[in-house]
Amino acid sequence: QVQLVESGGGVVQPGRSLRLSCAASGFSFSSYGMHWVRQAPGKGLEWVAVISYDGSQKYYAESVKGRFTISRDNSKNTLYLQMNSLRVEDTAVYYCAKGGGIKWLVTYYFDYWGQGTLVTVSS
Amino acid sequence: DIQMTQSPSTLSASVGDRVTITCRASQSISRWLAWYQQKPGKAPKVLIYQASSLESGVPSRFSGSGSGTEFTLTISSLQPDDFATYYCQQYNTYGTFGQGTKVEIK
Repeated sequence: QVQLVESGGGVVQPGRSLRLSCAASGFSFSSYGMHWVRQAPGKGLEWVAVISYDGSQKYYAESVKGRFTISRDNSKNTLYLQMNSLRVEDTAVYYCAKGGGIKWLVTYYFDYWGQGTLVTVSS
Repeated sequence: DIQMTQSPSTLSASVGDRVTITCRASQSISRWLAWYQQKPGKAPKVLIYQASSLESGVPSRFSGSGSGTEFTLTISSLQPDDFATYYCQQYNTYGTFGQGTKVEIK
C-alpha cells in the first residue's frame, strides 16, 4: 500500500533554515509528480510546491517562491523541501502528497498524503 | 489567482440527513475540482476528483457535481464517520483550496 512518511520538522528561529524529507513506498515513486501542502494551526490547506516525476519541472506558491526549494531523489524514493529564510507565518503542518491521475503528468490534486510534520517558527 | 469559496462554513446535521456543500470558483475551472475530507489531527483524504469521479474505496453516498464555477458535494445519508471538515480544491491552475466546511453533529 502507498505510504508517505515525512520527517525533519521542529522548532526553528525566524530567518533560519530547515529541510523536510518524505520517504515514499508502495508505488512507482519515479513515475509521479509530488507535492508539499501545508496547514497552519487551526487553518485551511495551502499548496506549497510541486515537482515533476523526473525533477525537471518545479513550481511554487507565491508565498514561498525564492525561499523554498523542492527536490527529489528517485534512487532513494524520497522527496525533499528545503526551507530557507523561515518566517513566523511558515508555521504549519507540512504534508507530502502524491499527485493524482496518470503517470508522468504533473497534476494538482492529491490522492495520497503523509501524516504530516510540524514546523514551528518562533523566537 | 483563482479563489475558491465554500458555503456554509459550518453545517449542523443529524445521522441520516442529506447534506450539500457548495463551492464557487472565481473563474471557470472546467471540471478540475476535487473534494477532500479531513478529521482532526489527520491528513486530508480525497473523496471526489474531476468534479464527479468517486475515488476508489470511497462510499457511494458521496457524490459531486458541477462545472465551470459552481460545484456541490452531496452526502446522501450522513453517517457517524462523516462528521469532519470538507475542502474543495481547484486544480485548473496550480491548486487552491476553499476555506473548509465543518460538518458537526446537530
